[in-house]
Amino acid sequence: AQSVTQLDSHVSVSEGTPVLLRCNYSSSYSPSLFWYVQHPNKGLQLLLKYTSAATLVKGINGFEAEFKKSETSFHLTKPSAHMSDAAEYFCVVSERSSASKIIFGSGTRLSIRP
Amino acid sequence: NAGVTQTPKFQVLKTGQSMTLQCAQDMNHNSMYWYRQDPGMGLRLIYYSASEGTTDKGEVPNGYNVSRLNKREFSLRLESAAPSQTSVYFCATGVLDGRTDTQYFGPGTRLTVL
Repeated sequence: AQSVTQLDSHVSVSEGTPVLLRCNYSSSYSPSLFWYVQHPNKGLQLLLKYTSAATLVKGINGFEAEFKKSETSFHLTKPSAHMSDAAEYFCVVSERSSASKIIFGSGTRLSIRP
Repeated sequence: NAGVTQTPKFQVLKTGQSMTLQCAQDMNHNSMYWYRQDPGMGLRLIYYSASEGTTDKGEVPNGYNVSRLNKREFSLRLESAAPSQTSVYFCATGVLDGRTDTQYFGPGTRLTVL
């Protein structure tokens, strides 16, 4: 069975400092991994995805994530936080091409201090 | 090109009332999904439809029914609403083919059951 764990429910950083949102996964197969962002009262928007190509994945708004199979991790990073990054972030794992096997993490709320 | 639209945006029901949440997509995707989002729990799959004419249960289907009316529309029905169904409901569409593997979400319906 597959699962995904977001290690922090809330992360707070100062504007201009690095962001690290942690995600560990468990999967019996070669998974696809995603990060989605949800701004307040909005739907989810895809930030980036890993589907067995390059292990370092670049997304929108300066975010990137590295797939580390040995550590079963897919942490999201950004070198310099901006106030507009304040949102909820979800790590998602899916078994390739399986509609029913898409598992969402519980989310990490990112706050940005001025 | 609206992407994924949901109606209504907000709804308040009394226990035992019924209602249908509507979802439509103009992205020409085969797969459509209904999720619910509860605080601290991420998104949980209620039902999904891999193609027109097919529907399958997800993780939390009890108390819900769905209809895949055509390729564009996928509705979610609560026959007898309960307070435990107070949640934010998201419709999504997507492509799960081992290459794209991306979901696109609607803006959500915020439902309160009194």
